[in-house]
Amino acid sequence: DSGVTQTPKHLITATGQRVTLRCSPRSGDLSVYWYQQSLDQGLQFLIHYYNGEERAKGNILERFSAQQFPDLHSELNLSSLELGDSALYFCASRQAERYNEQFFGPGTRLTVL
Amino acid sequence: LAKTTQPISMDSYEGQEVNITCSHNNIATNDYITWYQQFPSQGPRFIIQGYKTKVTNEVASLFIPADRKSSTLSLPRVSLSDTAVYYCLVGGNYGQNFVFGPGTRLSVLP
Repeated sequence: DSGVTQTPKHLITATGQRVTLRCSPRSGDLSVYWYQQSLDQGLQFLIHYYNGEERAKGNILERFSAQQFPDLHSELNLSSLELGDSALYFCASRQAERYNEQFFGPGTRLTVL
Repeated sequence: LAKTTQPISMDSYEGQEVNITCSHNNIATNDYITWYQQFPSQGPRFIIQGYKTKVTNEVASLFIPADRKSSTLSLPRVSLSDTAVYYCLVGGNYGQNFVFGPGTRLSVLP
């Protein structure tokens, strides 16, 4: 158990819909990262938040957005869903000074039908 | 960010030592080398990190030559449960973010 929690574990929805994925980082961690892992694309970095502020963006689509709240939990919003958005979505957190050691959550498996 | 190259797959037998080499010719002076392990349908797990020479922990060893253009992850006496994908990552400085490549799929056979 990494200490990072994600909900829900599984999500099945239809094309065109909108979903919200939730992540709670480890206690004390201020950084939250979001990743997408699909079969044909591998693990793709989406976005990084630090203490409520966006720090970096990766391959995140305009239909996707995220935020980190004052209690440090984070939400990833996916809208106008397409079949190709079906993937595992992971969030990770890390301690402030240990830049390379990220702790990943169990992931949310999104299936778009 | 430095690009990394590692074998797509490797096979080994239980009890053997496994060495996975990663090339990172464009590594920057202040880049660290980090390895992660990922089991199917689970998030990656940090294994080890190093800057130069050799680092050892309870799980693995990491060998980094003086020029730092490559690194080798060594797993002693692997078991079936070590079957996983292993990612080599370079960078991680403040403000940078990891770029996960395809990794090395290690299969440990009985």
